Amino acid sequence: QKEVEQNSGPLSVPEGAIASLNCTYSDRVSQSFFWYRQYSGKSPELIMSIYSNGDKEDGRFTAQLNKASQYVSLLIRDSQPSDSATYLCAVIGGGSEKLVFGKGTKLTVNP
Amino acid sequence: KAGVTQTPRYLIKTRGQQVTLSCSPISGHRSVSWYQQTPGQGLQFLFEYFSETQRNKGNFPGRFSGRQFSNSRSEMNVSTLELGDSALYLCASSFGGNENIQYFGAGTRLSVL
Repeated sequence: QKEVEQNSGPLSVPEGAIASLNCTYSDRVSQSFFWYRQYSGKSPELIMSIYSNGDKEDGRFTAQLNKASQYVSLLIRDSQPSDSATYLCAVIGGGSEKLVFGKGTKLTVNP
Repeated sequence: KAGVTQTPRYLIKTRGQQVTLSCSPISGHRSVSWYQQTPGQGLQFLFEYFSETQRNKGNFPGRFSGRQFSNSRSEMNVSTLELGDSALYLCASSFGGNENIQYFGAGTRLSVL
């Protein structure tokens, strides 16, 4: 059974701080990795995709991938109250469209 | 460019009934995937269709079925509804290529009484 594990949280950070969200996955052949943000009562919204080892930056967001350690992380710099949401890590194995999601980490950014 | 459209947004059904949910993907997207989200289980994959063919299937009973039409629109059907089927049902579309970025619709909230 392919699994994606996230630190359960909830995670609370002050406004302006760096929020660090972590995710591990069990399927070694996983090829595609995603971070989605889901506000309460809304559907998931794609924040970042990453496919190769290393860092990928987009504005205040940085995704980090380490395939050897089967680890994906998301850093949110200068956190804002509007970043308060549940962050979902999702992984796709080789040759499949099946997204396997973690249970999510609820982030609260306090003004 | 219009996003993924799901209808209806809300449904209330009773046990034993059946329900059909609809999903219109982003224009040009050929892959449509369906997910069930519940507080206890999180987001779980139901199935994925590409060019009218089911390409992947999750671990759900046969009461859950789907199809895709030639215009890539997809429907999901749940027969003999059970209380545990109450959930948010999400549809996601993608081009279906290697990078496989999926975009979600707003979802259909199904309540089974």
